Amino acid sequence: EVQLVESGGGLIEPGKSLRLSCAASGFTFDDFAMHWVRQAPGKGLEWVSGIVWNSRSLDYADSVKGRFTISRDNAKNSLHLDMNSLRVEDTAVYYCGRDYTSSLGGVDSWGQGTLVTVSS
Amino acid sequence: DIVMTQSPLSLPVTPGEPASISCRSSQSLLHSDGYNYLHWYLQRPGHSPQLLIYLSSNRASGIPDRFSGSGSGTDFTLQISRVEAEDAGIYYCMQGLQTPFTFGPGTKVDIK
Repeated sequence: EVQLVESGGGLIEPGKSLRLSCAASGFTFDDFAMHWVRQAPGKGLEWVSGIVWNSRSLDYADSVKGRFTISRDNAKNSLHLDMNSLRVEDTAVYYCGRDYTSSLGGVDSWGQGTLVTVSS
Repeated sequence: DIVMTQSPLSLPVTPGEPASISCRSSQSLLHSDGYNYLHWYLQRPGHSPQLLIYLSSNRASGIPDRFSGSGSGTDFTLQISRVEAEDAGIYYCMQGLQTPFTFGPGTKVDIK
C-alpha cells in the first residue's frame, strides 16, 4: 500500500523559512516522479512543484518560483520542500503526491497533508 | 498556463440518479502519445483528494464502475451513473500535460 506521510508544518512568521518533508513507503520510490500540491483554507487545489524520478527535471508554480525548492533523496525514500521568504498567502495544507509515472503527468496518490500557517 | 474551467460549480443530486460534470481547458490536452492528460479527483470533506479517473477515461484502482470519464482535446466529462451518498464532496479536474499543472475550480456535489 502506498503511504505518503508529510511533516514539518506549523506556525511561522512572514519572511521566515520552513522545510516540509514527505516519507514514502509501499512502493519503489525512485520509479516515480513526485509533487507538492497545496490548498489554502476553504479554497481549491494548487499545484506547487514537481520533480522527476532522478531529479533532472523539476518545475514550480509561478507563485512560489524563486522562493521554494523541491528535492528528493531516493536513498531515503523522501521528498522535501524548502520554503523561503514565506508570505501570508502561502498559508495552506501542503500535500505530497506521487505521480503515476517516472516523469510528470499527474498525481495518483496523496498524503494526509501538513498545515503551514504564515502569520505574525 | 493552461486554464481549467468546470461546470456546474454546485450540483445537488438525488441518490440513485445520474450526475455529470464538465471540464474545459484553454488549450488541447492531447499529447503526441495519443493520450489526453486530464485527470479527475474527488475530495471528500475533511480528507485528502483521491484519484478517480486518469488520462481522461481510465478508472483508478478501486474506483467503482459507476464512475466514468470521457472527452478529448479541450472538453471532458465525468459521469456518475447512479449517485451514492459516499459520492458527496468536491470534484476537481486537473491537466497534467504541461507544468505548471492546473486544477479546475471544483464542483461541489451535495446529496439531497
